[in-house]
Amino acid sequence: GAGVSQTPSNKVTEKGKYVELRCDPISGHTALYWYRQSLGQGPEFLIYFQGTGAADDSGLPNDRFFAVRPEGSVSTLKIQRTERGDSAMYLCASSLIRGPRANTEAFFGQGTRLTVV
Amino acid sequence: QKEVEQNSGPLSVPEGAIASLNCTYSDRGSQSFFWYRQYSGKSPELIMSIYSNGDKEDGRFTAQLNKASQYVSLLIRDSQPSDSATYLCAVNRRLSGGGADGLTFGKGTHLIIQP
Repeated sequence: GAGVSQTPSNKVTEKGKYVELRCDPISGHTALYWYRQSLGQGPEFLIYFQGTGAADDSGLPNDRFFAVRPEGSVSTLKIQRTERGDSAMYLCASSLIRGPRANTEAFFGQGTRLTVV
Repeated sequence: QKEVEQNSGPLSVPEGAIASLNCTYSDRGSQSFFWYRQYSGKSPELIMSIYSNGDKEDGRFTAQLNKASQYVSLLIRDSQPSDSATYLCAVNRRLSGGGADGLTFGKGTHLIIQP
C-alpha cells in the first residue's frame, strides 16, 4: 500500500474485554514499531519487530499486552482484560532499514484510538 | 530512564516571525535526533532529522544540534498559521548491546501561529 494502514481507526470496548489492533506496514518494510500515545503526551515505545521476531518488547507495560507479526508483514497488537487506563492512541510505524538511522525512513500510520469504558 | 524534555507551551508566535522550539535529552550516547509535527487528532509526521553537531536547513525549517550540551532545537522561519501544531522532539533509543531501535519522544511543544 501507499502508507502504513491501521485498523480500526476507532475502537470502543468495555473494561475486561479483549481487543486486537492491526497494522499493515509499507510493503517491503522490515522494521515495525508500536507506540502508545496518551492525551498531552508524546508517543511511548511499546515493541519493535525486525522481520517476524520481536527484537525489543521492553516497552510493553505488562503481560496483558502482546504483539505478533507472523509473516513479517502485518502485525497485531493484542490487549487482554482491557482497563480504562489502556485508553489511548495506538500508533504503528514501519521503516526499511534497521539501525541508528532507521527512523529517518519510519512512517506512522494514522493510529487506532482505543477507548475503554 | 532515558528522557527527552520539552516545554509544553503553548508557544504563541506572530505570523511571519521565527518560531524557536527547544529540546534536551539525557542519554549522552544518543546519535539520531528528529522533529515530528503532529496536528490535533493526527499521527506524527517527520519534518527534520539531524545526526551531527551544527545546523541543518530544509526550506523554512532549521534543526540545530549541540551534543555537548545535549540540546536540540528547531527554528521555523516565516511562520504560517498552518504551522500551528504540536512539535515532538525524538531521540533514538540506544541499546546496551549496540544498535538502536525505536524512538524516545518528548511530550511536545504546542505552537500557535497568530495571524
